[in-house]
Amino acid sequence: GNSVTQMEGPVTLSEEAFLTINCTYTATGYPSLFWYVQYPGEGLQLLLKATKADDKGSNKGFEATYRKETTSFHLEKGSVQVSDSAVYFCALSGVPQAGTALIFGKGTTLSVSS
Amino acid sequence: DAGVIQSPRHEVTEMGQEVTLRCKPISGHDYLFWYRQTMMRGLELLIYFNNNVPIDDSGMPEDRFSAKMPNASFSTLKIQPSEPRDSAVYFCASSLGLGGASYEQYFGPGTRLTVT
Repeated sequence: GNSVTQMEGPVTLSEEAFLTINCTYTATGYPSLFWYVQYPGEGLQLLLKATKADDKGSNKGFEATYRKETTSFHLEKGSVQVSDSAVYFCALSGVPQAGTALIFGKGTTLSVSS
Repeated sequence: DAGVIQSPRHEVTEMGQEVTLRCKPISGHDYLFWYRQTMMRGLELLIYFNNNVPIDDSGMPEDRFSAKMPNASFSTLKIQPSEPRDSAVYFCASSLGLGGASYEQYFGPGTRLTVT
């Protein structure tokens, strides 16, 4: 079945360090891919998305490129801030039907220290 | 808009008791989702509704769980009887549609349930 696999956390970085959180997926067809972020005590928020191969989603300095050949959607940021400390979830839209609910990875906790 | 509203934010109850979680979706959103989040299993979809009708409840763990949506602005998730393994954070989310990238899901702040 369709699934998402994220790197296990926690990821601990110093401020201004480079961030990569790996995400790979298994799906039939051509899913859309998402990164959601969950700040402490809050619900999930959409961070960025990509709908087809080679698309790059970006927001708030974060980027992720939809790589069909490697079935990956890794999240990157060039210089993290303390305020980026949160849990990050990779997700894909249900396939083969476009109209199905999202499938989430288990989440990766990021902790940034000053 | 106030966003998705959930109540209570925290619930502590004893094993065997009935628990009711509540959700008010964003006005105009046709889809409502209930999720459960635990350390062990991550974020799991329990059930979702379209125009107040349950569409997929395959994620509901067992008969102790039930969900209703009596109107477009209110949904409940009930656990009866509750068990310690039900302890988790329960999220409600809503969206305008279900077209993958076309319709973002908006999450509520969650209800943290502890069953002792």
